[in-house]
Amino acid sequence: DAMVIQNPRYQVTQFGKPVTLSCSQTLNHNVMYWYQQKSSQAPKLLFHYYDKDFNNEADTPDNFQSRRPNTSFCFLDIRSPGLGDAAMYLCATSGTRQLANEKLFFGSGTQLSVL
Amino acid sequence: RKEVEQDPGPFNVPEGATVAFNCTYSNSASQSFFWYRQDCRKEPKLLMSVYSSGNEDGRFTAQLNRASQYISLLIRDSKLSDSATYLCVVTLNTGGFKTIFGAGTRLFVKA
Repeated sequence: DAMVIQNPRYQVTQFGKPVTLSCSQTLNHNVMYWYQQKSSQAPKLLFHYYDKDFNNEADTPDNFQSRRPNTSFCFLDIRSPGLGDAAMYLCATSGTRQLANEKLFFGSGTQLSVL
Repeated sequence: RKEVEQDPGPFNVPEGATVAFNCTYSNSASQSFFWYRQDCRKEPKLLMSVYSSGNEDGRFTAQLNRASQYISLLIRDSKLSDSATYLCVVTLNTGGFKTIFGAGTRLFVKA
C-alpha cells in the first residue's frame, strides 16, 4: 500500500498559469519535503516542513510556495510556472530530521510539463 | 564544487559483470551515507546505507572512506533488472539533518 501519495502523476499547465501539486502520507511522519528533479540531475530540495515549521532553502525561487494544512497533507504551489519549471516534483517524508540515518519515504512523483 | 559528485556514466555492462561506482562528497561533516536506486521516471528508493566498516547486501557491497571522502558501490553478477540510476546520498547536520543527493550514475546491463 502506498504510504506517500502524490497526485496527479502527470500535470500539464500553461506558462504563467498557477498550478498546485499535492502530497499525502499515511505514516504520520513529522517531516515532509518537496524536491525538484530535472532530467539527469540530482533531486534538489525546495523546502520542508517540520511539523508546522516551514523551512525554505535559500535558493528556492519565490515562485514556489508550500502549505501544510495538517500532518497528512502538503501542497506545492507554483504561482507562475515558467518553461524552466518543467520537472519531476518529488514529495518525501521522514519521521524526524534529528537522526543522521533517517530514511526518506518518497511518493511516486508528479511530472510537470509547462506549455 | 558540488556537495556530492558522481560519474554520470552511463556504464554499459553485460549480464554477469561486476561494476563499481564511486562518489565523492565535499563536506567533511557529512554524517550518514546511502545509495538510492532510481528507475526511469520513478521515485528514488533506498538501496542500502553505507557504514565505515563496509557492508554487503547480497550482490551489493558498499564502502565508505571518510579520510578521502568517497563512497563506493560494487555490484556483482549484474542482472538486467539492475539497470537504473544509482544516487549517492549524504546527510549533513544543519540544525536538523539535511539530505543531499548526487546526480546519479546510470547503469545499463545488457543481455
